[in-house]
Amino acid sequence: GENVEQHPSTLSVQEGDSAVIKCTYSDSASNYFPWYKQELGKRPQLIIDIRSNVGEKKDQRIAVTLNKTAKHFSLHITETQPEDSAVYFCAGNFGNEKLTFGTGTRLTIIP
Amino acid sequence: DTEVTQTPKHLVMGMTNKKSLKCEQHMGHRAMYWYKQKAKKPPELMFVYSYEKLSINESVPSRFSPECPNSSLLNLHLHALQPEDSALYLCASSQETSAQETQYFGPGTRLLVL
Repeated sequence: GENVEQHPSTLSVQEGDSAVIKCTYSDSASNYFPWYKQELGKRPQLIIDIRSNVGEKKDQRIAVTLNKTAKHFSLHITETQPEDSAVYFCAGNFGNEKLTFGTGTRLTIIP
Repeated sequence: DTEVTQTPKHLVMGMTNKKSLKCEQHMGHRAMYWYKQKAKKPPELMFVYSYEKLSINESVPSRFSPECPNSSLLNLHLHALQPEDSALYLCASSQETSAQETQYFGPGTRLLVL
């Protein structure tokens, strides 16, 4: 079945530095990879997504890269701010109605 | 309206109670989902509705009973739950259930079963 591995599970970054979270998947059928941010006690919110016809997508301080050959995709956050502290989940939609989520990364921005 | 709403925000129930969770969206989405999320874990899919019909049941125990009365509403009926069912229950919706549709989540109902 589909499997999405996410690393690291926890990440602490000095404010202003960059943070990178990586996900790998085993099923090559996925064409859609969203990233969700979940603050404590809140709903998962889509922050960026990428479809398989592009290798990179950027939205201000957030970017996602996709390498379909190697079956991995990464979230990059630059110039990190305290409000970036949250749990981040990657996900893939492997040709069916379901999203398969990664295990999550708890990102802490140190002021 | 670009939001998914859920009621109640919090719910405490005994193991013999019957309660219902409600979810509503007015984005014209035709796919709706129920997820269960335990602390420090990703959301875990329970049910998928497509055009008001149940299309996926992820082998969820029968003490959870979903219902989709119309294209904007999704309910989850709870009966004879166990303490291990305590979790955050999230509703989500998407335009369709196809592979590249974005899912939008509601704020969730935090359920405690005593």
